[in-house]
Amino acid sequence: EAQVTQNPRYLITVTGKKLTVTCSQNMNHEYMSWYRQDPGLGLRQIYYSMNVEVTDKGDVPEGYKVSRKEKRNFPLILESPSPNQTSLYFCASRSSGGGRTDTQYFGPGTRLTVL
Amino acid sequence: AQSVTQLGSHVSVSEGALVLLRCNYSSSVPPYLFWYVQYPNQGLQLLLKYTSAATLVKGINGFEAEFKKSETSFHLTKPSAHMRDAAEYFCAVSDDRGSTLGRLYFGRGTQLTVWP
Repeated sequence: EAQVTQNPRYLITVTGKKLTVTCSQNMNHEYMSWYRQDPGLGLRQIYYSMNVEVTDKGDVPEGYKVSRKEKRNFPLILESPSPNQTSLYFCASRSSGGGRTDTQYFGPGTRLTVL
Repeated sequence: AQSVTQLGSHVSVSEGALVLLRCNYSSSVPPYLFWYVQYPNQGLQLLLKYTSAATLVKGINGFEAEFKKSETSFHLTKPSAHMRDAAEYFCAVSDDRGSTLGRLYFGRGTQLTVWP
């Protein structure tokens, strides 16, 4: 089954404790992206990756890091989480063949709470 | 730059009533537009997309949307609401710039409530 998986689904942590949220897709997609969703703000892009070893900042990259060492994986790293990073996070992927028209597929989300 | 505006953060309808969720876009080039749905505790799922092939686009679960260039709109409709349609709906537009081609810009979402 074609899918994007994220782990963990739920995470409660404390300020300053480094954490990683994993994202994996099995569709051989080149493009992957991380979003955060906050009430009333919709989805805002954190980082994206056009392919292996190619990453770039989205709209709200502060406090986050990413890496793309393999095509299927795109982990999101919070080196020193703060309470304002409490949010619902989504990973997404799509192919690059169709350009603007390709459908983006989303993972189930990771709800992060930073105390 | 591309952007979308969703009018109404909350919409409530009775079961069987018409659903109308509004989306207006801003784009310097012909836009490619998407509607996604998010059911409780789930990720986003594509409902339909406009890619210039036809102005009336039919999607899953009985939803459709009509692209109106003169009104810069892409409103989502369904003739008869079901309880299972209760969810949050997002309109999005696809970027056209070379370095970020295909990146999605989302509206703030509309929460649809369906009353029995």
